[in-house]
Amino acid sequence: SQKIEQNSEALNIQEGKTATLTCNYTNYSPAYLQWYRQDPGRGPVFLLLIRENEKEKRKERLKVTFDTTLKQSLFHITASQPADSATYLCALNTGGFKTIFGAGTRLFVKA
Amino acid sequence: DTGVSQNPRHKITKRGQNVTFRCDPISEHNRLYWYRQTLGQGPEFLTYFQNEAQLEKSRLLSDRFSAERPKGSFSTLEIQRTEQGDSAMYLCASSPLNPEAFFGQGTRLTVV
Repeated sequence: SQKIEQNSEALNIQEGKTATLTCNYTNYSPAYLQWYRQDPGRGPVFLLLIRENEKEKRKERLKVTFDTTLKQSLFHITASQPADSATYLCALNTGGFKTIFGAGTRLFVKA
Repeated sequence: DTGVSQNPRHKITKRGQNVTFRCDPISEHNRLYWYRQTLGQGPEFLTYFQNEAQLEKSRLLSDRFSAERPKGSFSTLEIQRTEQGDSAMYLCASSPLNPEAFFGQGTRLTVV
């Protein structure tokens, strides 16, 4: 069956360190993969999109990698800040209309 | 505010009642999505519109759920004969031809 897996355990890191979140998927061949941020009680906010022919994408302190052989994406936040504390969602498109989301990983950045 | 707007933000209803939610997408976006999200889970796809055409509907969506987008602008999601299992956050998102989606703040439904 098709699955998207993100670490269900929360990630706790110290301010200034790099946070690395993982997204693994099975039985999909996504045309692109997206990362969203979600704060409690609010809708997700789009962060980055990476296409199947791209290995890496950067935006300010954010970096996403996409390995279609491993079926894995890594999401990095460098020089993390307490304001980065949120849930981060991985989402796959398979070229159709539907976007499938993972359950998300909760990140806590301690000052 | 030119973002996606959803109303109401919160709805408490008794089991068996019908509820309707409204979504106003970003005006130039022709794609509109509805998702449902429960605690600790990611958004779950419900349905998709391109302009006024409903092009995809999740098999998880029972016949108690119906969505419309009559003029290709705002959309409504109706749940008939609500059940306690319908309690969730209902999210609307819109997008232009790009795949990135812009989400509203959601409508939190509680069925008592």
